[in-house]
Amino acid sequence: QKEVEQNSGPLSVPEGAIASLNCTYSDRGSQSFFWYRQYSGKSPELIMSIYSNGDKEDGRFTAQLNKASQYVSLLIRDSQPSDSATYLCAGHSNTGNQFYFGTGTSLTVIP
Amino acid sequence: EPEVTQTPSHQVTQMGQEVILRCVPISNHLYFYWYRQILGQKVEFLVSFYNNEISEKSEIFDDQFSVERPDGSNFTLKIRSTKLEDSAMYFCASNRDRTTYEQYFGPGTRLTVT
Repeated sequence: QKEVEQNSGPLSVPEGAIASLNCTYSDRGSQSFFWYRQYSGKSPELIMSIYSNGDKEDGRFTAQLNKASQYVSLLIRDSQPSDSATYLCAGHSNTGNQFYFGTGTSLTVIP
Repeated sequence: EPEVTQTPSHQVTQMGQEVILRCVPISNHLYFYWYRQILGQKVEFLVSFYNNEISEKSEIFDDQFSVERPDGSNFTLKIRSTKLEDSAMYFCASNRDRTTYEQYFGPGTRLTVT
């Protein structure tokens, strides 16, 4: 069973701070990982993808992947109240075409 | 910007009835997916579809479910005989190719089975 574990939170950070979100995954065969943002009642919105060990930066977002530790993280710099949402970590298995999602971490950015 | 669309946004049906949920993936995308999300729970993979065939399906995707691409634009999910536990948000998603796997979700259909 391919799984992603996330700390469900809730995580609260003050506006302007760095929010750090983490997940671990069970399937060593998975090569691709994604972070989605989901506002309440809305669909998941892709914000970052990462395929290689190391860091990947896109604006205020940095994704980190460590395949040896089976660990993926997302840093949000200069957090804004509009970042308040649930963040979903997802993996993709190369054996077939299936994505699997974590339960999500709820983030609240306090003005 | 191209986006995945889904209809209807909300469907109410009685237990035992058949429902068809419709999706129009992004036009140059080749891989299509259905997911469900029960209220307060995680997004669950149902099925992936490529080249008019199912690529992979989960244990949830039993004989009650089927998918079809009836024409060049629509992608449908049929639930033959709905159960109360089928009540959920159903999301369609698509991605262009298998080099990046970056998939984009539609707004979802809320299915309520009474």
